[in-house]
Amino acid sequence: GEEVAQTPKHLVRGEGQKAKLYCAPIKGHSYVFWYQQVLKNEFKFLISFQNENVFDETGMPKERFSAKCLPNSPCSLEIQATKLEDSAVYFCASSRALPANYGYTFGSGTRLTVV
Amino acid sequence: AQSVAQPEDQVNVAEGNPLTVKCTYSVSGNPYLFWYVQYPNRGLQFLLKYITGDNLVKGSYGFEAEFNKSQTSFHLKKPSALVSDSALYFCAVRGTRGNNRLAFGKGNQVVVIP
Repeated sequence: GEEVAQTPKHLVRGEGQKAKLYCAPIKGHSYVFWYQQVLKNEFKFLISFQNENVFDETGMPKERFSAKCLPNSPCSLEIQATKLEDSAVYFCASSRALPANYGYTFGSGTRLTVV
Repeated sequence: AQSVAQPEDQVNVAEGNPLTVKCTYSVSGNPYLFWYVQYPNRGLQFLLKYITGDNLVKGSYGFEAEFNKSQTSFHLKKPSALVSDSALYFCAVRGTRGNNRLAFGKGNQVVVIP
């Protein structure tokens, strides 16, 4: 399809529980990006993939965050042992090739609430 | 590293009046610039981008933006605002050097008053 599909739309987890978010990029798009939007609207880059390979992971809090993009599966972002400050909207974006030329298409996001 | 400044938190404009949302950037190399709009509880929708070519870029829903290299600005404009334009607007930049990620501004809430 021509949209980036993110599931679930909403996720509530108790502090310390695991959270797993999914992103199906647009078919044919080889780049996937994850961003975290916190309460004051700030977008924080987390990680990007080129196909199933990590392209840039310098934004990831590696202690508890991990991500994968496996062939023929949605990409995933997993948070082990969630903390209150992980509450945010997590956006996934995909791009066909060089993002600057083709632009990024964003999904609708997953709102994670840690209680 | 790239960065974006959107100096105003909120922009209020009367319906039918011109709308301007300001954006300045800092980047290594040449800039690739984007504007996105976010409606409540929705994702980011692409409005327009500047890669190269004409400094005036026309995008979706009647929006346009002007790239000004000397002022490192990429202000978003619409000649006549609609109530339905009320939303959160984000400017983003990527440089031709360095990493592949987009850097976002903090966003501007636009309120169009009927």
